[in-house]
Amino acid sequence: AQKVTQAQTEISVVEKEDVTLDCVYETRDTTYYLFWYKQPPSGELVFLIRRNSFDEQNEISGRYSWNFQKSTSSFNFTITASQVVDSAVYFCALSEARLGGTASKLTFGTGTRLQVTL
Amino acid sequence: DAGVIQSPRHEVTEMGQEVTLRCKPISGHDYLFWYRQTMMRGLELLIYFNNNVPIDDSGMPEDRFSAKMPNASFSTLKIQPSEPRDSAVYFCASSLHGAGTGNTIYFGEGSWLTVV
Repeated sequence: AQKVTQAQTEISVVEKEDVTLDCVYETRDTTYYLFWYKQPPSGELVFLIRRNSFDEQNEISGRYSWNFQKSTSSFNFTITASQVVDSAVYFCALSEARLGGTASKLTFGTGTRLQVTL
Repeated sequence: DAGVIQSPRHEVTEMGQEVTLRCKPISGHDYLFWYRQTMMRGLELLIYFNNNVPIDDSGMPEDRFSAKMPNASFSTLKIQPSEPRDSAVYFCASSLHGAGTGNTIYFGEGSWLTVV
């Protein structure tokens, strides 16, 4: 069975600090996909990134970066120079890699609430 | 391009009343998902459809919940009769070929349901 663990329930930082959100996953599959979503205070779920299990290259998008390490089953998310607008709940999610069946859905972690203050 | 569209955005209803939540997926997407978010249980999948056919409804809490997808551009989630413990945010989402092919599941803005 798949499982995603986000051990950090809540993180508070001061603006301009760097912050890393942890994500650890479990799956018996050798091929899978990992996702991060952002849920701002307005409530919608916004897709941030998708990564497949064969691609361990780190990804950077502006102030956001992701570190994927298969050896530790982790897919951590770092925000550099955090801003108040980054305040949100961030979810890590996992899907099996195949067409159809239960692989079609996402298994979510419990989320990490990030509070960025001035 | 229009995203996943849900209605109503907010609903307050009395216990025992019927509630119908509506969803229009992204055009061309063949998978549609209904998720529920609560403080206690987080994000949980209720049911999903592929090409309008329900594939897995094992997450539907009980017989009071039902979901339909009469065509590729519309789905409903109905709760009858509603109970206070059904209060939650209900998300509809859609994707092309499902997350298992590496495609992204896109979520609507959610329907915030309060049953009093």
